[in-house]
Amino acid sequence: DGGITQSPKYLFRKEGQNVTLSCEQNLNHDAMYWYRQDPGQGLRLIYYSQIVNDFQKGDIAEGYSVSREKKESFPLTVTSAQKNPTAFYLCASRGTYEEVGGLADTQYFGPGTRLTVL
Amino acid sequence: DAKTTQPNSMESNEEEPVHLPCNHSTISGTDYIHWYRQLPSQGPEYVIHGLTSNVNNRMASLAIAEDRKSSTLILHRATLRDAAVYYCILSPPWGAQKLVFGQGTRLTINP
Repeated sequence: DGGITQSPKYLFRKEGQNVTLSCEQNLNHDAMYWYRQDPGQGLRLIYYSQIVNDFQKGDIAEGYSVSREKKESFPLTVTSAQKNPTAFYLCASRGTYEEVGGLADTQYFGPGTRLTVL
Repeated sequence: DAKTTQPNSMESNEEEPVHLPCNHSTISGTDYIHWYRQLPSQGPEYVIHGLTSNVNNRMASLAIAEDRKSSTLILHRATLRDAAVYYCILSPPWGAQKLVFGQGTRLTINP
């Protein structure tokens, strides 16, 4: 089945350690995104990539880094410079969705990784 | 980015219709209105989108005001599985589609 996978589902790290979150998609989508969600809040954009070997900062990029060496993969590294890294991290890719009346240009989200820094 | 305003929470009963409002008084002429929903501990999923005309799909209907300053997501017959946070988001049809998620409306469905 086509989709987006994120691993692991739950991740625990000690303060001061870098950690890399995985995001893989087999939907053949060019654009991919990373969002962060804090309890009771909406999603905030960290980084996005519209094509391989290119990415841009979102609204809250400080303390994070990404790479986009392959179309299918967009890993996110949470560095020790991120002041409050404990959160729910969501990866998405952008593609078309066939529905009644035509195609919708929409984002498909993975199941998320819940990161807890102790 | 144009901003949307939604009620924090709404409650409805199973098998009844639900109307979720969204105000977007500063919408630009080219912004599409997107709706996503997020079930507990899951990533958001696309529900529906529209520009000017009312839209229907297998999940819901979207009613857009004539002046486009407000819209309403309609779930025709709510089920317990529709309990989620619903987000109304504006996005132009070009560019990187950087979606801006507000706090959304938390919909509770009573059995």
